[in-house]
Amino acid sequence: SFVLTQPPSVSVAPGQTASVACGGSNIGSKSVHWYQQKAGQAPVLVIYDDSGRPSGIPERFSGSNSGNTATLTISRVEAGDEADYYCQVCDNDNDGNWVFGGGTKLTVL
Amino acid sequence: EVELLESGGGLVKPGESLRLSCAASGFRFDTYAMGWVRQAPGKGLEWVSGVSDDGVAKYYADSVKGRLSISRDNSRNTVSLLMDGLTAEDTAVYYCAKFRGGTYRHYHFDSWGQGTLVTVSS
Repeated sequence: SFVLTQPPSVSVAPGQTASVACGGSNIGSKSVHWYQQKAGQAPVLVIYDDSGRPSGIPERFSGSNSGNTATLTISRVEAGDEADYYCQVCDNDNDGNWVFGGGTKLTVL
Repeated sequence: EVELLESGGGLVKPGESLRLSCAASGFRFDTYAMGWVRQAPGKGLEWVSGVSDDGVAKYYADSVKGRLSISRDNSRNTVSLLMDGLTAEDTAVYYCAKFRGGTYRHYHFDSWGQGTLVTVSS
């Protein structure tokens, strides 16, 4: 099945910009979705279809996808953004098989 | 407001079975596909199963194929996951999640329940 690779951790100072990468073979041809999971809580969708933002998600959250890497970008990082972030795609466009990346722990210094 | 409430988790012995349920409200249940995602302690998210809006099409991750069975009752707004032959590797929090998206490639989970813990141990 399709493999999504994420760095285990990313650290950023408050007010700076954080980038979380999600690698996969020709991932640019797929739709990538991103979830935020804070400690002890259920995941929350933050980006869908590469760059769509659900209602209620701050504009500071954005996404892009090209080539072999999709990226979640969080601008003006706040302490409350500290969480695990997961990317997700559909493995097969003609069948149901959905895959998550291993997750990236974002630490706000 | 969308609400998904899981139930049925607990402690079971290896080889035993368990049935998880998810009660949905706040949206037109019979027009959305539903799924289950699990998370082992200290690990990442793993999609395990999905079912189409009409209950006809069912999908399973390779890791659970043959042991898990998903179903839904649109008259009761519930989706269930029957798990057979449980092993320690099935120990996880199981989340019920609502799919959104026009085609498979766009499918994502726009709402999640709080999860129910399944522990498999002798």
